[in-house]
Amino acid sequence: DARVTQTPRHKVTEMGQEVTMRCQPILGHNTVFWYRQTMMQGLELLAYFRNRAPLDDSGMPKDRFSAEMPDATLATLKIQPSEPRDSAVYFCASEAGAGGYEQYFGPGTRLTVT
Amino acid sequence: GQNIDQPTEMTATEGAIVQINCTYQTSGFNGLFWYQQHAGEAPTFLSYNVLDGLEEKGRFSSFLSRSKGYSYLLLKELQMKDSASYLCAAGAGSYQLTFGKGTKLSVIP
Repeated sequence: DARVTQTPRHKVTEMGQEVTMRCQPILGHNTVFWYRQTMMQGLELLAYFRNRAPLDDSGMPKDRFSAEMPDATLATLKIQPSEPRDSAVYFCASEAGAGGYEQYFGPGTRLTVT
Repeated sequence: GQNIDQPTEMTATEGAIVQINCTYQTSGFNGLFWYQQHAGEAPTFLSYNVLDGLEEKGRFSSFLSRSKGYSYLLLKELQMKDSASYLCAAGAGSYQLTFGKGTKLSVIP
């Protein structure tokens, strides 16, 4: 049963601390997305990669957020320093790149910054 | 720019039919998606329309009118487990989806 995995599932941290979220896309999927979901803004695209290359990160605050794909099985999203307004659920999704655009979402990381 | 509008909440009765509307304004539009999201869970794919018309998949159907920038999701024979948020998303460019804020559907007995 192929699925996207994310760690950690929950993270509580203090303002100013570094947060790293990890995602393992479905094997063979070559497009990976990072989204943030809040009650106010809904689901927002932060960044996405195709074949490990960043295609668009315009949705991401550049001064504190960074996204990378060190290899085809791992995507990371880092926040440094974290702020209370970063509190949200962060989803990773992957897509097979076959043109169907069906994205498979991971379970999310619920981040609380105090 | 991108703009997706859908109702915030809807309530319907078990066994009934409900239609969730979505209007969009998207540059480079190339398809309309519907996702279902149960509380505390990840969104899951329901349907994809690229051409005008109705796509039927079991109890769920989705309609698209590109000229009107309009779509709807039709749920038939509602079940309690259909209580969830339904997210409309417009595809643009390569692989990008812009999501609406979702319609929270409550199914009551």
